[in-house]
Amino acid sequence: GENVEQHPSTLSVQEGDSAVIKCTYSDSASNYFPWYKQELGKRPQLIIDIRSNVGEKKDQRIAVTLNKTAKHFSLHITETQPEDSAVYFCAASNSGGGADGLTFGKGTHLIIQP
Amino acid sequence: KAGVTQTPRYLIKTRGQQVTLSCSPISGHRSVSWYQQTPGQGLQFLFEYFSETQRNKGNFPGRFSGRQFSNSRSEMNVSTLELGDSALYLCASSPLNSYNEQFFGPGTRLTVL
Repeated sequence: GENVEQHPSTLSVQEGDSAVIKCTYSDSASNYFPWYKQELGKRPQLIIDIRSNVGEKKDQRIAVTLNKTAKHFSLHITETQPEDSAVYFCAASNSGGGADGLTFGKGTHLIIQP
Repeated sequence: KAGVTQTPRYLIKTRGQQVTLSCSPISGHRSVSWYQQTPGQGLQFLFEYFSETQRNKGNFPGRFSGRQFSNSRSEMNVSTLELGDSALYLCASSPLNSYNEQFFGPGTRLTVL
């Protein structure tokens, strides 16, 4: 089945700086890559996703890049703000009907230092 | 639209007991997926239901089972509870299948003593 590795497990950045979280996946058939944000005590919420026919996608301060050849994708957050502090999860799936549903990385705890 | 709801929100059980958790998806959503979240293992996929049929299943023992009703509401059952089953159980609904945006519920916090 699919295996998703996520790094780093903890990331501390100064407010206003950029943050980058990286994920690699193992199944070349995976073609859907969402990113979820989970604040303490709350449910995960989708912040951005990308499909394998696209190399990059942006939404205001958030961007995701995908390298299918290397089987890795990254989340970029620019001009970080205190409300960006949360745990971020990457995930991968095969929309062709694989047996694994969404496979998540272990998460990155992003800390925004004031 | 109302969001995904889960009941109960908190549950305490003892080893050997069984438990049933409930999930009501967003109106119109036909796919419901279940995940187990623990500090050590993160978010792990349990199973997905679509139109009352289990389509996908993760790598969990047979003690974990589920079902979906005609109104898309779903339940998951864990029998013969073990201490390691203590976790946050999240369900997520999606309009078509688990390969589009999933909307998560607040979760059920299960503690096994």
